[in-house]
Amino acid sequence: SQQGEEDPQALSIQEGENATMNCSYKTSINNLQWYRQNSGRGLVHLILIRSNEREKHSGRLRVTLDTSKKSSSLLITASRAADTASYFCATDEMNLGGKLIFGQGTELSVKP
Amino acid sequence: GAGVSQTPSNKVTEKGKYVELRCDPISGHTALYWYRQSLGQGPEFLIYFQGTGAADDSGLPNDRFFAVRPEGSVSTLKIQRTERGDSAVYLCASSLESGLADNEQFFGPGTRLTVL
Repeated sequence: SQQGEEDPQALSIQEGENATMNCSYKTSINNLQWYRQNSGRGLVHLILIRSNEREKHSGRLRVTLDTSKKSSSLLITASRAADTASYFCATDEMNLGGKLIFGQGTELSVKP
Repeated sequence: GAGVSQTPSNKVTEKGKYVELRCDPISGHTALYWYRQSLGQGPEFLIYFQGTGAADDSGLPNDRFFAVRPEGSVSTLKIQRTERGDSAVYLCASSLESGLADNEQFFGPGTRLTVL
């Protein structure tokens, strides 16, 4: 069963705009990870945020984590058409050996 | 170095047949994970190995599914008596070691299984 829930399920924006995706989860975690997927195939790791971190940046990506609300957000700034993809959050639950529990994903479309 | 590789990239089989899906993890990675992804869904955990042993197989849907990793490197996911509902993309991932606080998993391109 999947733990995470993401919203929105789909997001369409213009190039240059920012895109924000949200993820909620249910249990205690070691970390939360965001992945990107093109065309339903391999997942590309974007960023990992530990449970004791609140915010992390990587290039145009900014991730926040609020463990009290069990939620995370992924912000992509100055979006490009090449950012069009599905984005998934995945939680690494405590004491479960590192298996990831994925949300259903947000499908992002960036129009040129 | 090379990333995670999976073979075949596509597999079409008939209902009732047996299939094997192979995963080659990143060299030196001791943890290996199998996930299954249906259309429009996020990946779902199947099983993971730490070394040669299956540390958690709680995600395997039933006893038609089995996976091995005899030498602690390459893994094979085996599906007996395939059913149409088994059609999905099967993803493999590896990481340095399970249980690390920063257990970043690297995914392969997946095997798309279609059961007719």
